[in-house]
Amino acid sequence: EDKVVQSPLSLVVHEGDTVTLNCSYEVTNFRSLLWYKQEKKAPTFLFMLTSSGIEKKSGRLSSILDKKELFSILNITATQTGDSAVYLCAVGSNAGGTSYGKLTFGQGTILTVHP
Amino acid sequence: NAGVTQTPKFQVLKTGQSMTLQCAQDMNHEYMSWYRQDPGMGLRLIHYSVGAGITDQGEVPNGYNVSRSTTEDFPLRLLSAAPSQTSVYFCASSLGQGFREKLFFGSGTQLSVL
Repeated sequence: EDKVVQSPLSLVVHEGDTVTLNCSYEVTNFRSLLWYKQEKKAPTFLFMLTSSGIEKKSGRLSSILDKKELFSILNITATQTGDSAVYLCAVGSNAGGTSYGKLTFGQGTILTVHP
Repeated sequence: NAGVTQTPKFQVLKTGQSMTLQCAQDMNHEYMSWYRQDPGMGLRLIHYSVGAGITDQGEVPNGYNVSRSTTEDFPLRLLSAAPSQTSVYFCASSLGQGFREKLFFGSGTQLSVL
């Protein structure tokens, strides 16, 4: 059974801190790993990684994938209160024999940034 | 630019009632899907569609029906609501091959079944 595990489940930091969120996975026929940010309601897309060792960056956020060790990290530097959210990791695979494939989500990491 | 629009935002049902959650997207996306989000379990796929007239089951399809008569609309029907269907429901859309995992989500429907 495909599995995506995120750690920690929750994290409380102060503005300016740097945080690292972890995502480990066990899936058949890996295709991609994605990070989403969920504030209040709808998750919004952050990154999609398909190749090992290549860092994706967007402002203060960055992510890297290690396909050999089956994990990814999401780094947030100089955190702000607006970074408070649930961060979701998802892994796409070609399992299931369908054209849609499969996307398995982790439980999420709740990040709280205090002023 | 509306993106993915879901209605209603909140709904309370009694056990055995039926209802339809509406979802529409205006991005001409090929793929649409329905997820439910429960505490500690992550998002789980209920049903999905790879184009108008084509639907298939996801991970947790029991008790739900879908249809896709147009590219824009993908309603989710609860046939006979049960307390186990109390959850937050998200509709999502994505471009086709190569971009199917990059999901655009609606704002969600919080459903309580009493």
